[in-house]
Amino acid sequence: NAGVMQNPRHLVRRRGQEARLRCSPMKGHSHVYWYRQLPEEGLKFMVYLQKENIIDESGMPKERFSAEFPKEGPSILRIQQVVRGDSAAYFCASSPKGVRSGEQYFGPGTRLTVT
Amino acid sequence: GENVEQHPSTLSVQEGDSAVIKCTYSDSASNYFPWYKQELGKGPQLIIDIRSNVGEKKDQRIAVTLNKTAKHFSLHITETQPEDSAVYFCAASMNTGNQFYFGTGTSLTVIP
Repeated sequence: NAGVMQNPRHLVRRRGQEARLRCSPMKGHSHVYWYRQLPEEGLKFMVYLQKENIIDESGMPKERFSAEFPKEGPSILRIQQVVRGDSAAYFCASSPKGVRSGEQYFGPGTRLTVT
Repeated sequence: GENVEQHPSTLSVQEGDSAVIKCTYSDSASNYFPWYKQELGKGPQLIIDIRSNVGEKKDQRIAVTLNKTAKHFSLHITETQPEDSAVYFCAASMNTGNQFYFGTGTSLTVIP
């Protein structure tokens, strides 16, 4: 059973461009979480999705950021008109039953650099 | 919402010694407490977890203890090895919520 996959692993964007980050959960997992990690800091919750639905987006900035988890295909975190402050590592995690099961498994992350 | 605090932020130990990392949480409804190890350039990996109906759990050289009354839980690593060097995160969640709340991390260095 392959683990959580994220791509790209590294992404460089110029200010104003769009960044699109992809996350393929573990097989059988229908719950996906996105986190942002700044250097020397912990993981900050951004959004929680369950197939085709956004369950909790309270940690995601209301402007420029969006997330989806379609019926088919990976979950996507989209950042429009990126700014230097968006530079960070973005991790997704998947879970078989969400918070109820307690387990979540992380991908290797996408390191976004905005120049 | 829940607030998880983690101490210390950095910890250096000699190889073979024990390491202890402590976390506190604020919401008594939290009932699941995982610990993650993050190596440089990688995503966090679950290493051990504990639920609120248990006071202690062990897995070889690592153990976690939970004090529900005081609302704190700790990670214990015995006989530390250089490969234990990493950043460790604690977290808390409650099955009535939607989020996992993370501590700020402890950078552990094991000196050979």
